[in-house]
Amino acid sequence: EPEVTQTPSHQVTQMGQEVILRCVPISNHLYFYWYRQILGQKVEFLVSFYNNEISEKSEIFDDQFSVERPDGSNFTLKIRSTKLEDSAMYFCASSESVRRGYSNQPQHFGDGTRLSIL
Amino acid sequence: EDKVVQSPLSLVVHEGDTVTLNCSYEVTNFRSLLWYKQEKKAPTFLFMLTSSGIEKKSGRLSSILDKKELSSILNITATQTGDSAIYLCAVEVASNTGKLIFGQGTTLQVKP
Repeated sequence: EPEVTQTPSHQVTQMGQEVILRCVPISNHLYFYWYRQILGQKVEFLVSFYNNEISEKSEIFDDQFSVERPDGSNFTLKIRSTKLEDSAMYFCASSESVRRGYSNQPQHFGDGTRLSIL
Repeated sequence: EDKVVQSPLSLVVHEGDTVTLNCSYEVTNFRSLLWYKQEKKAPTFLFMLTSSGIEKKSGRLSSILDKKELSSILNITATQTGDSAIYLCAVEVASNTGKLIFGQGTTLQVKP
């Protein structure tokens, strides 16, 4: 069964450094997402991406964050200057479609990247 | 503010027991409710519910949505140790983005 893959599985970075988290969504999917889960807390939406642009972002997704689809397969999340509070598990997800008025296709999640900021 | 609440937060049962997990929501524009199972890593998709009163079933797992009560339940019958996991409920808000709002999860432990 096709799956979403994320690399690396664990990233340790010094505070203030830039970090790039990588995702390969399922190949025929068109909608891409990043979520994060701080230890012991809920999974939180960060950003959605469609047709090479951000379609929605949360309050968490400030100017330090950016997303990119540099080629036909990868989807990346960049944090420009990491803070201690960015330490979390970051999940990438993708879905085939989001259609008004119809039953949508579910989002499928990758295994996550655990980001630890020192 | 859109909110999804799950109960109980944790549950310990013995193999063979039946469990019912609850999810309630308050969102401005509901589109669908999804259940995921999270073991060590990726949340894996279980069910997507859009219509009230229609039960979805997969093996020993079943789920139903009640739009009047703004809630859903996930039932697991004849539980096995492999059912031990965190069960996440998420609501998709009607938009063009598919954004999901998650509950805090129910941690289920099934003892042999």
